[in-house]
Amino acid sequence: EVQLVESGGGLVKPGGSLRLSCAASGFTFSNAWMSWVRQAPGKGQEWVGRIKSKTDGETTDYAAPVKGRFTISRDDSKNTLYLQMNSLKTEDTAVYYCTTLSGSYSLGWYFAYWGQGTLVTVSS
Amino acid sequence: SYELTQPPSVSVSPGQTARITCSGDALPNQYAFWYQQKPGQAPVLVIYKDSERPSGIPERFSGSSSGTTVTLTISAVQAEDEADYYCQSGDNSGTDVVFGGGTKLTVL
Repeated sequence: EVQLVESGGGLVKPGGSLRLSCAASGFTFSNAWMSWVRQAPGKGQEWVGRIKSKTDGETTDYAAPVKGRFTISRDDSKNTLYLQMNSLKTEDTAVYYCTTLSGSYSLGWYFAYWGQGTLVTVSS
Repeated sequence: SYELTQPPSVSVSPGQTARITCSGDALPNQYAFWYQQKPGQAPVLVIYKDSERPSGIPERFSGSSSGTTVTLTISAVQAEDEADYYCQSGDNSGTDVVFGGGTKLTVL
């Protein structure tokens, strides 16, 4: 059974930093492309970014609102995905979900499995 | 930026058919995906590649595509289907991922 368990959320002041972790199990993590998706309170889903597998270059892509501030990384030896968030803004307040990523550039990407999410609150 | 447009709400009585639409200019070139989200829970993929159903999803969930509009159809709606439904696709570059604003399905 695929399991994704996020941790590291909490309250942080504007301009601060936070690192989220996602422990994965039930599938071959090293082969998987992974992603982060967030949901602000009372709002819809927003894609944050993705990371390819090491075999595919471990490259990353980010949504415009977080580019240059957020960094996705992975440790395949620990089956763990990370999201380093710097220069946080109040509008970054959201539940952050770790997801698996399937699909392709030509036909589209989708999120087959989701964790339960971790809440990040950016407030003074 | 690219957008997907969904109606904010749809209401149906139990046993009826619910149809939720999603419109976007890139939909003729990119597959659409649908997620169900109940309060306090993570989203669940219910339709992928426009019309495919993941294992474990009831047969009453189906998807279709026509031009710039995709449709999620839920036949013989049950009370447990009450949830928010989000469509998702990509832009024409295939790099960005976009979600629709979500549709709240109310079972009367």
